[in-house]
Amino acid sequence: DVKVTQSSRYLVKRTGEKVFLECVQDMDHENMFWYRQDPGLGLRLIYFSYDVKMKEKGDIPEGYSVSREKKERFSLILESASTNQTSMYLCASSRSGVQETQYFGPGTRLLVL
Amino acid sequence: ILNVEQSPQSLHVQEGDSTNFTCSFPSSNFYALHWYRWETAKSPEALFVMTLNGDEKKKGRISATLNTKEGYSYLYIKGSQPEDSATYLCAFAGIVSVGGADGLTFGKGTHLIIQP
Repeated sequence: DVKVTQSSRYLVKRTGEKVFLECVQDMDHENMFWYRQDPGLGLRLIYFSYDVKMKEKGDIPEGYSVSREKKERFSLILESASTNQTSMYLCASSRSGVQETQYFGPGTRLLVL
Repeated sequence: ILNVEQSPQSLHVQEGDSTNFTCSFPSSNFYALHWYRWETAKSPEALFVMTLNGDEKKKGRISATLNTKEGYSYLYIKGSQPEDSATYLCAFAGIVSVGGADGLTFGKGTHLIIQP
């Protein structure tokens, strides 16, 4: 079974803090994704990566950066957390190709005070 | 940003009844259409990926159809059970740009509640 894990289920941070969200997958998938989910807005793509050290902006990259130093790990970084980044963050991975199923982690619920 | 619409937004169905809902997406540059089920407190779970016009997929009591020319997909649930209660998401994948890659654009979901 594919397993995607995220470092925290719940996080509380203060405005201005630097926040790291970690995602690890164990299926040797090429693609990894970060989404955020907000009520009434659905899942929105922040960044994705199709290879180590490669990254592409999604629909809402502002205020975020990512890092993929190893194939199995994809990190989302909030350089200076703001209250409008309070959200549920979901990581996903897939084999190469947009026709491939994405496998999701359990999500991290982030509260920025 | 691509427009992927799902309707209805929410749906209450009696146990045992059948139901269906819709996903609308751009009909140009189509590559694939995904359906996921997202139960409360769990991760989204893949149901189907469809790539060809006229595709029909089935998994138990759940099935889906695809019309790429007019840009819609239907998800059907036959004989609804309480465990079918979840949010059902569709996601559109466009043709990958040359030398690049792309992600999925999700609809906002249909929240299905099965009433015993």
